Amino acid sequence: NAGVTQTPKFQVLKTGQSMTLQCAQDMNHEYMSWYRQDPGMGLRLIHYSVGAGITDQGEVPNGYNVSRSTTEDFPLRLLSAAPSQTSVYFCASSYSIQGGNSPLHFGNGTRLTVT
Amino acid sequence: SQQGEEDPQALSIQEGENATMNCSYKTSINNLQWYRQNSGRGLVHLILIRSNEREKHSGRLRVTLDTSKKSSSLLITASRAADTASYFCATSGGSQGNLIFGKGTKLSVKP
Repeated sequence: NAGVTQTPKFQVLKTGQSMTLQCAQDMNHEYMSWYRQDPGMGLRLIHYSVGAGITDQGEVPNGYNVSRSTTEDFPLRLLSAAPSQTSVYFCASSYSIQGGNSPLHFGNGTRLTVT
Repeated sequence: SQQGEEDPQALSIQEGENATMNCSYKTSINNLQWYRQNSGRGLVHLILIRSNEREKHSGRLRVTLDTSKKSSSLLITASRAADTASYFCATSGGSQGNLIFGKGTKLSVKP
C-alpha cells in the first residue's frame, strides 16, 4: 500500500494564480481531510470529507475549495493564491468517518510558496 | 482554534534519558492522540487513548490521561537520537469528531 500520496511536493505560485493540490489514498478510507501547518501555529483543519460526494468546512476554509468524486481522491483547490496561503499542506485519511476516532494517516505534504 | 497545548515548546536531552511532554486541553474530549513529525515529513500516529482510559503503553512510549485536569502526558523512556522530532497531541470531541492539534513540542535527543 502506498498510503496517502500528495503531489506536488513543492510549488511556487504568483499572487492570483490558481492551482490544485492532489491527494490520493489506497486504504479505502471514508474520511479525508486537509490541514495547513504554519510555524508556531500547529496544524489547522481546512476542509474534510466523510465520503464521496460529501465535504464540509474546517477551521480555515476561506480561499480553498474541495470536492470528493471518488473515495480515493480529495483534491484541494486554491482559487486565487495569496501570500497568506504560503504554508505546508497535509492531506490525511482515516477509516472512521469521525476523523478523530481512529488514527489519521498523513501524506508527506506539499510545500507551497506564494510570492 | 487550538484545543491542545503542549508543554514544553522545546526539550533537549541526552540519549538514554527519559523525555516527558505534556498536553492540556480546554473542553471535554472523546479521545486524545499523540503524533510524531520528523523534519520535512508528515505526521505519524503514535498512540490513541480514549476518555475512559487512564494509561496506555506502546513499546518505549507511555501515555497518561487525566480528564479531571484536562491533561495528558507522553513519556518516552531511554530516548534515542532517532526520537528527535516534533510531538503533537490532538483531541477529538463533539459531533463532528475532527482532530484538533496543538502546536507541538520539539524534542532534541543528543547522542
